[in-house]
Amino acid sequence: ETGVTQTPRHLVMGMTNKKSLKCEQHLGHNAMYWYKQSAKKPLELMFVYSLEERVENNSVPSRFSPECPNSSHLFLHLHTLQPEDSALYLCASSQETTDTDTQYFGPGTRLTVL
Amino acid sequence: LAKTTQPISMDSYEGQEVNITCSHNNIATNDYITWYQQFPSQGPRFIIQGYKTKVTNEVASLFIPADRKSSTLSLPRVSLSDTAVYYCLVGRPMFSGGYNKLIFGAGTRLAVHP
Repeated sequence: ETGVTQTPRHLVMGMTNKKSLKCEQHLGHNAMYWYKQSAKKPLELMFVYSLEERVENNSVPSRFSPECPNSSHLFLHLHTLQPEDSALYLCASSQETTDTDTQYFGPGTRLTVL
Repeated sequence: LAKTTQPISMDSYEGQEVNITCSHNNIATNDYITWYQQFPSQGPRFIIQGYKTKVTNEVASLFIPADRKSSTLSLPRVSLSDTAVYYCLVGRPMFSGGYNKLIFGAGTRLAVHP
């Protein structure tokens, strides 16, 4: 247990569906992240929220929409996805400091788009 | 962010010491070096972090030479459960008000055999 939980752990959806991934951190951190990990590819940083404000959006298609209602929760809203969006979606959190810090990852949501 | 180069894969046997070397020739003065471990279908897990010389914790040691252009993760007496992908990352958090941006490479796939 890393203190970061993700739900659901597995999700199968059609291309016309709308679904949301949820991430919750119990560590008191103030930065949260979404990563995508496709098969046999490195982790790709998608979005970063620092102090509940989005500070990075790495050219992610608009069919992925993040939401950070507070420092403990992060959502990734999905709509009209493509089969190539099938991947492991990982959430992470960290404590923003001027010193070194560590990201704590959740277990991920395995997404399959049919 | 400094680019890192590490072997794609390594094989070892139970009980052996494993050393994984990472090259980061353009590491910046304030950069630190962090290693993560990832099991299949799970999020990466922090292993160890260092700036220079040697760092040791309960699971690994990190050796960093004086020029800091490379680093070596040392796993003592590996077991089957150490079979995973190991990532070397180089970077630092932004100044106060920033966040810890991590760029993952392909990592080193370590296979431990009986």
